Amino acid sequence: EDQVTQSPEALRLQEGESSSLNCSYTVSGLRGLFWYRQDPGKGPEFLFTLYSAGEEKEKERLKATLTKKESFLHITAPKPEDSATYLCAVSVAGGTSYGKLTFGQGTILTVHP
Amino acid sequence: DSGVTQTPKHLITATGQRVTLRCSPRSGDLSVYWYQQSLDQGLQFLIQYYNGEERAKGNILERFSAQQFPDLHSELNLSSLELGDSALYFCASSPRDMVNQPQHFGDGTRLSIL
Repeated sequence: EDQVTQSPEALRLQEGESSSLNCSYTVSGLRGLFWYRQDPGKGPEFLFTLYSAGEEKEKERLKATLTKKESFLHITAPKPEDSATYLCAVSVAGGTSYGKLTFGQGTILTVHP
Repeated sequence: DSGVTQTPKHLITATGQRVTLRCSPRSGDLSVYWYQQSLDQGLQFLIQYYNGEERAKGNILERFSAQQFPDLHSELNLSSLELGDSALYFCASSPRDMVNQPQHFGDGTRLSIL
Protein backbone atom coordinates (compact mmCIF):
# COMPACT_ATOMS: atom_id res chain seq x y z
CA GLU A 1 0.00 0.00 0.00
CA ASP A 2 1.24 3.47 -0.88
CA GLN A 3 2.29 5.49 2.15
CA VAL A 4 3.22 9.14 2.62
CA THR A 5 4.56 10.40 5.94
CA GLN A 6 5.23 14.05 6.71
CA SER A 7 7.33 15.45 9.52
CA PRO A 8 7.24 17.31 11.74
CA GLU A 9 3.49 17.46 12.44
CA ALA A 10 3.86 21.08 13.50
CA LEU A 11 6.67 23.62 13.16
CA ARG A 12 6.90 27.01 14.80
CA LEU A 13 9.47 29.46 13.40
CA GLN A 14 10.45 33.02 13.99
CA GLU A 15 10.26 35.31 10.99
CA GLY A 16 13.48 34.92 9.02
CA GLU A 17 14.35 31.53 10.57
CA SER A 18 14.86 29.08 7.68
CA SER A 19 13.87 25.41 8.00
CA SER A 20 12.77 22.32 6.08
CA LEU A 21 9.69 20.11 5.98
CA ASN A 22 10.05 16.43 5.16
CA CYS A 23 7.87 14.07 3.12
CA SER A 24 8.92 10.44 2.96
CA TYR A 25 7.09 8.02 0.69
CA THR A 26 6.80 4.31 0.05
CA VAL A 27 5.17 3.66 -3.30
CA SER A 28 5.61 1.45 -6.31
CA GLY A 29 5.99 3.37 -9.53
CA LEU A 30 6.10 7.03 -8.51
CA ARG A 31 4.74 9.23 -11.29
CA GLY A 32 4.73 12.54 -9.47
CA LEU A 33 5.20 14.13 -6.06
CA PHE A 34 3.10 17.20 -5.35
CA TRP A 35 3.34 19.91 -2.72
CA TYR A 36 0.27 21.89 -1.72
CA ARG A 37 -0.40 24.70 0.74
CA GLN A 38 -3.71 24.77 2.61
CA ASP A 39 -5.01 27.78 4.52
CA PRO A 40 -7.82 27.40 7.10
CA GLY A 41 -11.21 27.11 5.44
CA LYS A 42 -9.69 26.80 1.97
CA GLY A 43 -8.84 24.04 -0.44
CA PRO A 44 -5.26 22.89 -1.08
CA GLU A 45 -3.35 25.29 -3.34
CA PHE A 46 -0.91 23.70 -5.77
CA LEU A 47 2.76 24.66 -5.30
CA PHE A 48 5.08 22.20 -7.08
CA THR A 49 5.30 18.93 -8.98
CA LEU A 50 8.50 16.86 -8.89
CA TYR A 51 8.91 13.88 -11.20
CA SER A 52 12.34 12.35 -10.70
CA ALA A 53 15.11 12.09 -8.12
CA GLY A 54 17.45 15.06 -8.20
CA GLU A 55 14.79 17.46 -9.44
CA GLU A 56 14.38 20.84 -7.72
CA LYS A 57 11.72 23.54 -8.06
CA GLU A 58 11.67 27.04 -6.55
CA LYS A 59 9.02 29.66 -5.95
CA GLU A 60 9.74 32.78 -3.93
CA ARG A 61 10.90 31.57 -0.47
CA LEU A 62 10.08 27.92 -1.16
CA LYS A 63 12.29 25.26 -2.70
CA ALA A 64 11.24 21.65 -3.19
CA THR A 65 13.67 18.77 -3.74
CA LEU A 66 13.19 15.07 -4.44
CA THR A 67 15.20 11.91 -3.75
CA LYS A 68 14.19 8.29 -4.33
CA LYS A 69 12.67 8.05 -0.86
CA GLU A 70 11.73 11.55 0.25
CA SER A 71 11.11 15.16 -0.62
CA PHE A 72 11.99 18.30 1.25
CA LEU A 73 10.28 21.65 1.22
CA HIS A 74 12.85 24.26 2.22
CA ILE A 75 11.56 27.58 3.48
CA THR A 76 14.09 30.41 3.39
CA ALA A 77 13.60 33.50 5.58
CA PRO A 78 9.90 32.78 6.15
CA LYS A 79 7.32 35.49 6.75
CA PRO A 80 4.12 35.30 8.81
CA GLU A 81 2.11 34.97 5.59
CA ASP A 82 3.84 31.63 4.96
CA SER A 83 1.90 30.21 7.92
CA ALA A 84 -0.30 27.37 6.60
CA THR A 85 -0.56 23.60 6.45
CA TYR A 86 1.77 22.13 3.85
CA LEU A 87 0.63 18.88 2.24
CA CYS A 88 2.64 16.38 0.26
CA ALA A 89 0.95 13.95 -2.14
CA VAL A 90 2.04 11.25 -4.59
CA SER A 91 0.58 9.72 -7.72
CA VAL A 92 1.56 6.28 -8.93
CA ALA A 93 1.47 4.40 -12.20
CA GLY A 94 -1.63 2.55 -13.31
CA GLY A 95 -3.86 0.29 -11.29
CA THR A 96 -7.49 0.71 -10.31
CA SER A 97 -6.81 4.00 -8.47
CA TYR A 98 -5.44 5.64 -11.56
CA GLY A 99 -6.00 9.29 -10.81
CA LYS A 100 -5.65 9.07 -7.08
CA LEU A 101 -3.42 11.36 -5.05
CA THR A 102 -2.27 9.85 -1.77
CA PHE A 103 -1.71 12.61 0.77
CA GLY A 104 0.40 12.84 3.88
CA GLN A 105 -1.10 14.21 7.09
CA GLY A 106 0.52 17.60 6.57
CA THR A 107 2.85 19.90 8.49
CA ILE A 108 1.28 22.89 10.25
CA LEU A 109 3.72 25.78 9.88
CA THR A 110 3.41 28.85 12.09
CA VAL A 111 5.73 31.80 11.52
CA HIS A 112 5.83 34.38 14.30
CA PRO A 113 6.75 38.03 13.58
CA ASP B 1 -8.69 31.39 -7.01
CA SER B 2 -8.19 27.91 -8.48
CA GLY B 3 -11.13 28.19 -10.88
CA VAL B 4 -12.87 25.16 -9.33
CA THR B 5 -16.27 26.06 -7.88
CA GLN B 6 -18.03 24.05 -5.21
CA THR B 7 -21.52 24.58 -3.83
CA PRO B 8 -22.81 24.82 -1.22
CA LYS B 9 -19.99 25.99 1.08
CA HIS B 10 -21.74 24.68 4.17
CA LEU B 11 -24.40 22.03 4.63
CA ILE B 12 -26.06 21.06 7.88
CA THR B 13 -28.40 18.10 7.95
CA ALA B 14 -29.51 15.18 10.08
CA THR B 15 -28.67 11.51 10.19
CA GLY B 16 -30.44 9.40 7.60
CA GLN B 17 -30.79 12.24 5.14
CA ARG B 18 -29.43 12.57 1.58
CA VAL B 19 -27.44 15.50 0.18
CA THR B 20 -25.92 16.48 -3.15
CA LEU B 21 -22.65 18.37 -3.48
CA ARG B 22 -21.87 20.15 -6.72
CA CYS B 23 -18.58 20.90 -8.46
CA SER B 24 -17.73 22.92 -11.56
CA PRO B 25 -14.19 22.21 -12.81
CA ARG B 26 -11.76 24.75 -14.22
CA SER B 27 -12.54 25.78 -17.76
CA GLY B 28 -11.17 23.16 -20.14
CA ASP B 29 -10.51 20.49 -17.48
CA LEU B 30 -11.97 17.08 -18.30
CA SER B 31 -11.09 15.19 -15.09
CA VAL B 32 -12.89 15.69 -11.80
CA TYR B 33 -11.82 14.15 -8.50
CA TRP B 34 -13.60 13.99 -5.15
CA TYR B 35 -11.82 13.86 -1.79
CA GLN B 36 -12.95 13.72 1.82
CA GLN B 37 -10.96 15.51 4.54
CA SER B 38 -11.47 14.71 8.19
CA LEU B 39 -9.29 15.49 11.20
CA ASP B 40 -8.31 11.87 11.84
CA GLN B 41 -8.05 10.59 8.24
CA GLY B 42 -6.62 13.55 6.38
CA LEU B 43 -7.39 13.91 2.67
CA GLN B 44 -8.78 10.67 1.24
CA PHE B 45 -9.49 10.02 -2.43
CA LEU B 46 -13.06 8.99 -3.19
CA ILE B 47 -13.58 8.84 -6.96
CA GLN B 48 -12.46 10.24 -10.32
CA TYR B 49 -14.43 10.98 -13.48
CA TYR B 50 -12.93 11.73 -16.85
CA ASN B 51 -15.08 13.23 -19.60
CA GLY B 52 -18.24 11.72 -18.14
CA GLU B 53 -16.89 8.26 -17.37
CA GLU B 54 -15.83 6.82 -14.01
CA ARG B 55 -12.06 6.42 -14.15
CA ALA B 56 -10.85 5.46 -10.70
CA LYS B 57 -12.32 4.59 -7.35
CA GLY B 58 -10.94 4.91 -3.83
CA ASN B 59 -12.47 3.87 -0.52
CA ILE B 60 -15.85 5.33 -1.37
CA LEU B 61 -18.76 4.01 0.66
CA GLU B 62 -21.65 2.30 -1.13
CA ARG B 63 -23.93 5.01 0.29
CA PHE B 64 -21.98 7.54 -1.77
CA SER B 65 -22.21 7.96 -5.53
CA ALA B 66 -21.08 10.49 -8.09
CA GLN B 67 -21.55 11.41 -11.71
CA GLN B 68 -20.14 13.82 -14.26
CA PHE B 69 -22.52 15.49 -16.66
CA PRO B 70 -22.05 16.42 -20.36
CA ASP B 71 -21.17 20.01 -19.36
CA LEU B 72 -18.42 18.42 -17.18
CA HIS B 73 -19.78 19.53 -13.83
CA SER B 74 -19.94 16.79 -11.24
CA GLU B 75 -22.18 15.89 -8.33
CA LEU B 76 -21.42 13.79 -5.26
CA ASN B 77 -24.47 12.21 -3.68
CA LEU B 78 -24.32 11.11 -0.05
CA SER B 79 -27.24 9.11 1.34
CA SER B 80 -28.30 7.54 4.65
CA LEU B 81 -25.98 10.00 6.32
CA GLU B 82 -24.24 9.07 9.55
CA LEU B 83 -22.49 11.25 12.13
CA GLY B 84 -19.14 10.00 10.86
CA ASP B 85 -19.80 11.49 7.43
CA SER B 86 -19.25 14.96 8.84
CA ALA B 87 -16.20 16.25 7.00
CA LEU B 88 -14.92 18.61 4.35
CA TYR B 89 -15.56 17.38 0.81
CA PHE B 90 -13.24 18.71 -1.87
CA CYS B 91 -13.48 18.58 -5.60
CA ALA B 92 -10.41 18.91 -7.80
CA SER B 93 -9.90 19.04 -11.54
CA SER B 94 -7.13 18.53 -14.08
CA PRO B 95 -6.95 18.96 -17.85
CA ARG B 96 -6.53 15.36 -18.88
CA ASP B 97 -6.47 11.84 -17.51
CA MET B 98 -2.78 11.75 -16.65
CA VAL B 99 -1.37 10.79 -13.26
CA ASN B 100 1.53 13.24 -13.43
CA GLN B 101 -0.64 16.34 -13.77
CA PRO B 102 -1.38 18.49 -10.72
CA GLN B 103 -4.95 18.62 -9.50
CA HIS B 104 -6.47 21.99 -8.65
CA PHE B 105 -8.84 22.09 -5.71
CA GLY B 106 -11.97 24.03 -4.88
CA ASP B 107 -12.60 25.43 -1.43
CA GLY B 108 -14.79 22.53 -0.41
CA THR B 109 -18.18 21.87 1.11
CA ARG B 110 -18.29 21.54 4.89
CA LEU B 111 -20.87 18.88 5.78
CA SER B 112 -22.15 18.75 9.33
CA ILE B 113 -24.43 15.91 10.42
CA LEU B 114 -26.47 16.56 13.56
